[in-house]
Amino acid sequence: GQSLEQPSEVTAVEGAIVQINCTYQTSGFYGLSWYQQHDGGAPTFLSYNALDGLEETGRFSSFLSRSDSYGYLLLQELQMKDSASYFCAVRGGTGGGADGLTFGKGTHLIIQP
Amino acid sequence: GAVVSQHPSRVICKSGTSVKIECRSLDFQATTMFWYRQFPKQSLMLMATSNEGSKATYEQGVEKDKFLINHASLTLSTLTVTSAHPEDSSFYICSARNRQRIYNEQFFGPGTRLTVL
Repeated sequence: GQSLEQPSEVTAVEGAIVQINCTYQTSGFYGLSWYQQHDGGAPTFLSYNALDGLEETGRFSSFLSRSDSYGYLLLQELQMKDSASYFCAVRGGTGGGADGLTFGKGTHLIIQP
Repeated sequence: GAVVSQHPSRVICKSGTSVKIECRSLDFQATTMFWYRQFPKQSLMLMATSNEGSKATYEQGVEKDKFLINHASLTLSTLTVTSAHPEDSSFYICSARNRQRIYNEQFFGPGTRLTVL
């Protein structure tokens, strides 16, 4: 099966940098994804790592270490609009549907002025 | 682009009734769509994978006869919650994978908030 662990809540100050960690256990690994979800909204795709290393997309970066089953999302120059929940996810579920995503429990990011 | 729509956005129904939720990919064809459920302050839980022209694949613990999925075309999947009960009240979200984009990127609909009285 699949399972992912991430902190439930992180607090940071506007303009700062924050890192959200994710560790995972999977029966087959096809990459680690990150999604952002504002309250009441739909998840939106942020980034995807299939190979070890850092992927950078604007203010957001994501890192993966397959040997450690670990990744993180790095958010720089935090803005108030970044207050949201962030989910790491891996491909695969429990029922044999190999393409659906299994999500971590989410990290609620609180940004203070 | 890759836009996914859902209808309705919000529905309130009486216990025992059935509710149908539609998921459409607006600007791409999706041979595979996914249905998730999210309870307040919790994560998204994959319910089933919807395959165009074939039977859906359900996750463990999801009742096939209660959550009927039909993927009749390359742009439409429907989820019917049959004989809904208050414990079925949740946020139901569909997603679709665009074959022209990186494999793990899924595009989510805006969700349907179901309240069963």
